[in-house]
Amino acid sequence: AQKITQTQPGMFVQEKEAVTLDCTYDTSDPSYGLFWYKQPSSGEMIFLIYQGSYDQQNATEGRYSLNFQKARKSANLVISASQLGDSAMYFCAMRDPLGGGSYIPTFGRGTSLIVHP
Amino acid sequence: GAGVSQSPSNKVTEKGKDVELRCDPISGHTALYWYRQRLGQGLEFLIYFQGNSAPDKSGLPSDRFSAERTGESVSTLTIQRTQQEDSAVYLCASGASVTNYGYTFGSGTRLTVV
Repeated sequence: AQKITQTQPGMFVQEKEAVTLDCTYDTSDPSYGLFWYKQPSSGEMIFLIYQGSYDQQNATEGRYSLNFQKARKSANLVISASQLGDSAMYFCAMRDPLGGGSYIPTFGRGTSLIVHP
Repeated sequence: GAGVSQSPSNKVTEKGKDVELRCDPISGHTALYWYRQRLGQGLEFLIYFQGNSAPDKSGLPSDRFSAERTGESVSTLTIQRTQQEDSAVYLCASGASVTNYGYTFGSGTRLTVV
């Protein structure tokens, strides 16, 4: 069963505007972590932001913020003031403990973001 | 080194040949992961090493795939008798097993089987 769902294969946004990338997840464990990564055309995976399941506040890192709605099991990434350099693939990932204590991040299929000038 | 190093960056091989991919994690990172990313797809988990524990091989797609890691150092992913469907980018990541700071990825090895 897929644990991470990113329903938007592609998104477009005007430069300087905000954009929200959706991510929903599925886990029965109360302790888990959620990550967002950016993958530009160069292929590198760049860590953006982390949200722990017990964190009381939504995570923020510069222009990135995470709209964490625990009851709905969603962890949407909000990018404010989009820049042309934000054009990339964005992956949501979840780490939850599996049997035996393994912590293996599971990734969604990704959302392609294109920022228009 | 400062980051996760993978080699080679590109590999073209003939169908049926064996290939070996290398990952040099960040020093001190106990967890090491291998993922496969096919063109336009997400990351597919292959194998996970945590310290000196037995690796989690649950993601390996077939017995042609194997991986080793000595302690908390270099890891090698071996694909025997390569097939065209093995063509993908193979990504390695390292980090603390439970971390709030994400996992650091290497630049990947782009494998093309012809």
